[in-house]
Amino acid sequence: NAGVTQTPKFQVLKTGQSMTLQCAQDMNHEYMSWYRQDPGMGLRLIHYSVGAGITDQGEVPNGYNVSRSTTEDFPLRLLSAAPSQTSVYFCASSYRRTDRRSEAFFGQGTRLTVV
Amino acid sequence: QQQVKQSPQSLIVQKGGISIINCAYENTAFDYFPWYQQFPGKGPALLIAIRPDVSEKKEGRFTISFNKSAKQFSLHIMDSQPGDSATYFCAAGEEGFKTIFGAGTRLFVKA
Repeated sequence: NAGVTQTPKFQVLKTGQSMTLQCAQDMNHEYMSWYRQDPGMGLRLIHYSVGAGITDQGEVPNGYNVSRSTTEDFPLRLLSAAPSQTSVYFCASSYRRTDRRSEAFFGQGTRLTVV
Repeated sequence: QQQVKQSPQSLIVQKGGISIINCAYENTAFDYFPWYQQFPGKGPALLIAIRPDVSEKKEGRFTISFNKSAKQFSLHIMDSQPGDSATYFCAAGEEGFKTIFGAGTRLFVKA
């Protein structure tokens, strides 16, 4: 049981390049989300998904795209990388429960630098 | 506009002391209030969580106090230990999982 797996762990991009951050979970969780973590800003929600085929925007969605074709995978696409997107990116997943909310399990993070 | 406000930004506590971190929220649709702990180089991990139908929840040395009318909640760490040194995030979620995090508090417990 690997939990939430993010790849790559580190990435350096040039301004204008595009790339996809991968996230996979093996816990059959309905909910998945992407956050970025910046010093003094905490974790800010980029996009989230409540199930396969359903995605929605979070607090800071501009410059990012997501899709959810399967329950397991939730990739984050940077369309045209900018230095402002230098950050640590975390993927998280959780169950949807009718009686109580489940904890979110986080991946180890992807440290992205845009030069 | 920050939906979840957390204070202080940093906190230094002596070993054995009490660490207190405060959070406030605006959106009354929030119905789930977790606290996460993060160590350097790792993803956040759930520490303790509360729903708004209770005013307090205790798990070991960690206690959440919740004031629904004031839209505030806090984390108390009793008998703080050097191993508790980490960054703590409060968060608030509404139906459908959309969880918003505070800015984080860096706690350092002096031995």
